[in-house]
Amino acid sequence: GDSVTQMEGPVTLSEEAFLTINCTYTATGYPSLFWYVQYPGEGLQLLLKATKADDKGSNKGFEATYRKETTSFHLEKGSVQVSDSAVYFCALSSGGYQKVTFGTGTKLQVIP
Amino acid sequence: EPEVTQTPSHQVTQMGQEVILRCVPISNHLYFYWYRQILGQKVEFLVSFYNNEISEKSEIFDDQFSVERPDGSNFTLKIRSTKLEDSAMYFCASSRGRGTTGELFFGEGSRLTVL
Repeated sequence: GDSVTQMEGPVTLSEEAFLTINCTYTATGYPSLFWYVQYPGEGLQLLLKATKADDKGSNKGFEATYRKETTSFHLEKGSVQVSDSAVYFCALSSGGYQKVTFGTGTKLQVIP
Repeated sequence: EPEVTQTPSHQVTQMGQEVILRCVPISNHLYFYWYRQILGQKVEFLVSFYNNEISEKSEIFDDQFSVERPDGSNFTLKIRSTKLEDSAMYFCASSRGRGTTGELFFGEGSRLTVL
């Protein structure tokens, strides 16, 4: 079945550091890939998505590229801010169905 | 900005009791979902609901669980007889379209603690 594996957290970075959160997936067919973010005390919000190979999703300075050859969708940001502190979830949806499969989440803490 | 709202934010119950978690999806959305996250574990799909019926459910969603859209605005998850392992954060979500292209909008979650 479908699965998503993302790096364990927590990740602690200083402000303005470069961020990478690794994500790999296993799926049948050609899934759509997502990054969701959960800020403290809030629900899950879609951060970015990519629906086919080599697509790059981007939002709020975050980027992730759909790499079919390595089945990866790593999240990157060039310069993190304290306000980026949150839990980040990699996810996929395949086969045109409604179900989204999530990774375990990676907690990011950015310190001033 | 429209949002998905969930109540209660936290519920504590005794094992064996019935629990109803409530959600108000975004008004023009057609697909509704429940997910759960046991502390420290993955966010897991429970069920999706479309056109007043379940469209897909996971193996977690056994006979103890049921969903209902009683009045056209609320979307509820009922756990008939709670077990300790039902303790989790339950997220409701809605979308205008299907999951691959339709963005899922999530509520803030309802934390259920079963004692």
